[in-house]
Amino acid sequence: KAGVTQTPRYLIKTRGQQVTLSCSPISGHRSVSWYQQTPGQGLQFLFEYFSETQRNKGNFPGRFSGRQFSNSRSEMNVSTLELGDSALYLCASSLDRAGNTEAFFGQGTRLTVV
Amino acid sequence: SQKIEQNSEALNIQEGKTATLTCNYTNYSPAYLQWYRQDPGRGPVFLLLIRENEKEKRKERLKVTFDTTLKQSLFHITASQPADSATYLCALPTSYNTDKLIFGTGTRLQVFP
Repeated sequence: KAGVTQTPRYLIKTRGQQVTLSCSPISGHRSVSWYQQTPGQGLQFLFEYFSETQRNKGNFPGRFSGRQFSNSRSEMNVSTLELGDSALYLCASSLDRAGNTEAFFGQGTRLTVV
Repeated sequence: SQKIEQNSEALNIQEGKTATLTCNYTNYSPAYLQWYRQDPGRGPVFLLLIRENEKEKRKERLKVTFDTTLKQSLFHITASQPADSATYLCALPTSYNTDKLIFGTGTRLQVFP
């Protein structure tokens, strides 16, 4: 079966702009989690969606938001981009609960803010 | 808050030997702990999940232990191969049994022929 698909793979944006990233989970998976990965901080949890509801949220500013659609596809939006938002953004899908079952990660979207 | 400590220095071992990676946590003992493998430029790949009532879990050449007294998990790769070279991450819930995960910064394993 198809894995987790993230689009786009690479993105370059200017400070102050906004960006939307997309994640299509594995068919049948209802939980989608988003992470930011940087060399200094490692993988940091952004939020988790389950059946179109945000179930968990990390410690990121309100500029970071997300949503999940009825087909479980999820989008993440970052507004007013800052240089420090440059990172690899990863989404992970799982069948039910995000943490207590196997999570499948996508290849990520590499965002560069200039 | 919970903190995870993984050895940030790379672990270099010879092919055929057993690699042992450590994950220490500082606060409460979680209901479960996960291990992932990550290759450069790719997303992490799930390897094993171990629950608090399990002392040990195995999958092919992989073995994970979970010692809630020591607040530590050990990840072993037996008969290591150059293809095992990657960064290995441990992850656990931010509070006892939540779905919100905190990841360690990972340990890079390099297996030499």
